[in-house]
Amino acid sequence: EVQLVESGGGLVKPGGSLRLSCAASGFTFSSYSMNWVRQAPGKGLEWVSSISSSSSYIYYADSVKGRFTISRDNAKNSLYLQMNSLRAEDTAVYYCARPTGDYGDFNYWGQGTLVTVSS
Amino acid sequence: QSALTQPASVSGSPGQSITISCTGTSSDVGSYNLVSWYQQHPGKAPKLMIYEGSKRPSGVSNRFSGSKSGNTASLTISGLQAEDEADYYCCSYAGSSTFVFGGGTKLTVL
Repeated sequence: EVQLVESGGGLVKPGGSLRLSCAASGFTFSSYSMNWVRQAPGKGLEWVSSISSSSSYIYYADSVKGRFTISRDNAKNSLYLQMNSLRAEDTAVYYCARPTGDYGDFNYWGQGTLVTVSS
Repeated sequence: QSALTQPASVSGSPGQSITISCTGTSSDVGSYNLVSWYQQHPGKAPKLMIYEGSKRPSGVSNRFSGSKSGNTASLTISGLQAEDEADYYCCSYAGSSTFVFGGGTKLTVL
């Protein structure tokens, strides 16, 4: 069974940093691209970032480019999101998600981790 | 990366069919066969219902179907059931390895 478990969320002040982790199990992690998707309280879903299976290709939404860094450790079956220069508008539940195949959708989701940016 | 346009809400009675539209542009929905649909119940993670425009993942009821015409994708739910009441989001590949979601539609089963 595919399992994705996020951790690392919490309360951080504007301008601060936080690192999210996503532990994967139940599939060959190194064979799949991975994604971060977020959802602000009471709002819709927003794609944040993607990373290819070998980390060769990395992409970001314009809203986080230059502030967030996605990475992965295939030996540890783990996905990460380093978030710097955090703003109030980054407050959201952050989900890691895996596609059905190589790309193109988000079939498996974690339970999410809440990041709150507030003074 | 402008959000796709969905109706804020739709409703239907049990047994009826409803359709949720998702309008994008020629740069996203209109250019790629990579539209997906997600169901989200309150406090839960989203669940993939349709991928690649019209394919259903294993375990998803055949009451859910997807289609596309031009820059607009649609999700149809037939034989509405109480448990279908949820928020629904569309998503499209938008080129340059980016994705864009719709604003979401709240489905109420009357």
